[in-house]
Amino acid sequence: GAGVSQSPSNKVTEKGKDVELRCDPISGHTALYWYRQSLGQGLEFLIYFQGNSAPDKSGLPSDRFSAERTGGSVSTLTIQRTQQEDSAVYLCASSLQSSRGGTDTQYFGPGTRLTVL
Amino acid sequence: AQSVSQHNHHVILSEAASLELGCNYSYGGTVNLFWYVQYPGQHLQLLLKYFSGDPLVKGIKGFEAEFIKSKFSFNLRKPSVQWSDTAEYFCAVTTGRRALTFGSGTRLQVQP
Repeated sequence: GAGVSQSPSNKVTEKGKDVELRCDPISGHTALYWYRQSLGQGLEFLIYFQGNSAPDKSGLPSDRFSAERTGGSVSTLTIQRTQQEDSAVYLCASSLQSSRGGTDTQYFGPGTRLTVL
Repeated sequence: AQSVSQHNHHVILSEAASLELGCNYSYGGTVNLFWYVQYPGQHLQLLLKYFSGDPLVKGIKGFEAEFIKSKFSFNLRKPSVQWSDTAEYFCAVTTGRRALTFGSGTRLQVQP
């Protein structure tokens, strides 16, 4: 089946503008994660959605970052008033999170490369 | 909070050489361990994982890793690398939180 998809693949924006990044998880996966990959910071966790539970926002770097997940499927990561340090590749991952509990494998999308000028 | 250390940042090998990439984590409880690979221009792919059971796990493309609990390590190995193994390799750990904590990555360059 289809993997995790993300759009756009590349986004160039000016400092101070808002951006929206989209993630379509694998069908049937109940857990969705956002990470970002940057040269200085490596791969960092941002936010995690699991079913209808309140999201784990502990990785969001500032209140300019927010995310939502509609209908338990597609997710949008929004960055308001972008700064140059927001430039990074934003990765989305999904996992099955079976009812038996435990840890499931996360499958990653191709990412959105964000450049803030 | 857990952390992951990958000591080798850049490794250069010739084809057919053996590979071992180090990964150490800090967390005293039960962990689940992963190695992901990112080939040039491609997205992160799962190489192998350890949840429980046999501490020697085998993954795709001839890779294996050994979980040594006493050393908090999960080193990645391959007996004979190929040029196509050129990529960046990331070790990652999860605990009950389920979000992955990644190491800083090791860039492997295999020369033909």
